[in-house]
Amino acid sequence: TQLLEQSPQFLSIQEGENLTVYCNSSSVFSSLQWYRQEPGEGPVLLVTVVTGGEVKKLKRLTFQFGDARKDSSLHITAAQTGDTGLYLCAGVRDSNYQLIWGAGTKLIIKP
Amino acid sequence: DAGVIQSPRHEVTEMGQEVTLRCKPISGHNSLFWYRQTMMRGLELLIYFNNNVPIDDSGMPEDRFSAKMPNASFSTLKIQPSEPRDSAVYFCASSLGSRQEPYEQYFGPGTRLTVT
Repeated sequence: TQLLEQSPQFLSIQEGENLTVYCNSSSVFSSLQWYRQEPGEGPVLLVTVVTGGEVKKLKRLTFQFGDARKDSSLHITAAQTGDTGLYLCAGVRDSNYQLIWGAGTKLIIKP
Repeated sequence: DAGVIQSPRHEVTEMGQEVTLRCKPISGHNSLFWYRQTMMRGLELLIYFNNNVPIDDSGMPEDRFSAKMPNASFSTLKIQPSEPRDSAVYFCASSLGSRQEPYEQYFGPGTRLTVT
């Protein structure tokens, strides 16, 4: 059973389009992290959201943590080819070192 | 900062051989994680060290896998004997583990292991 469900699993769109990736769970997390992984590299942390309802922006990327801290979304505006990669969400439980990982969304931005 | 360093980047070996993967965490980080990533199973935590002490090895597949952290700047993951189903990318990650950066992990570039 996947504790963190990511959707879609795969997304291929044209450069310039907008997209949203979702990360959902029935469990509450104390914080949630988003990572991007490029081919041949390890995941790189993009952002951590901590407070329910929190919104963080990283240039064209907007991250939101659900009010109940059970879900999160990543919205990319005017996608660029450099956004191509595997996007992973990871949840942190209270008093627990271990990250609960989603399976990832593979994003391809076509020129 | 050099980031997390892993070696080798690629390893091809024959079934039955011993494989040793190496990791140097970011200086000052007190937590170290070994992960395995495959298309089928995604990212799986194998073992977690805190202050050089193994805290949770419940993700280690079986007795063929072992991990050590003799000091704060070095860890190894060993597979003996290796099997084709061990083929995967193995990542090492480290974390400061402080209240300012709770559990944010920094990954190395990975070791791509192929067992034939």
